[in-house]
Amino acid sequence: AQSVTQLDSQVPVFEEAPVELRCNYSSSVSVYLFWYVQYPNQGLQLLLKYLSGSTLVKGINGFEAEFNKSQTSFHLRKPSVHISDTAEYFCAVTFMNRDDKIIFGKGTRLHILP
Amino acid sequence: DTAVSQTPKYLVTQMGNDKSIKCEQNLGHDTMYWYKQDSKKFLKIMFSYNNKELIINETVPNRFSPKSPDKAHLNLHINSLELGDSAVYFCASSQDNRGSEQYFGPGTRLTVT
Repeated sequence: AQSVTQLDSQVPVFEEAPVELRCNYSSSVSVYLFWYVQYPNQGLQLLLKYLSGSTLVKGINGFEAEFNKSQTSFHLRKPSVHISDTAEYFCAVTFMNRDDKIIFGKGTRLHILP
Repeated sequence: DTAVSQTPKYLVTQMGNDKSIKCEQNLGHDTMYWYKQDSKKFLKIMFSYNNKELIINETVPNRFSPKSPDKAHLNLHINSLELGDSAVYFCASSQDNRGSEQYFGPGTRLTVT
């Protein structure tokens, strides 16, 4: 079965510290991978995406993610977080089969501590 | 110059009523979506239209009926509203239905009392 797992529902981290938000998926078909961010009371916006090519993808606001096919993971990282990074982060996977369905993870709340 | 817009932003109504939410995108995209986000922030796709044709219809009560009058619009009509329908509903669009990134609207917060 196809699924997307974000193991951490909340991640507290001190300002200027590094952070990694984890995303794993289960699939037997090719995938496209996305990270979206949702700031309070707003819609989602794209942080970065992996479609093909280099497995290290750089996005907006200093975020990056690495596609690891053998571990079926697409973890999001930032070397130094800022208070403005406080938001909900969603991993999303499009499974490239007959209906190219996209599934979102349950989200990880990034809580920046002063 | 909003890319994906939704109206209304807030909707408070009583159980049993019928209501509609409208969505418009000015990006020239072929595909549009409706999502429901519950109080725990869980985001679930409800419907997807590609060039006005329904392509994804998840397990949603048939009280929910989407309508796409043209490629730029996707409306959501809900009959006989129930307490459990309270959520934030997001519209989104993408260039195609082959995995391209989605652009989300600001959401409509529906509260059923």
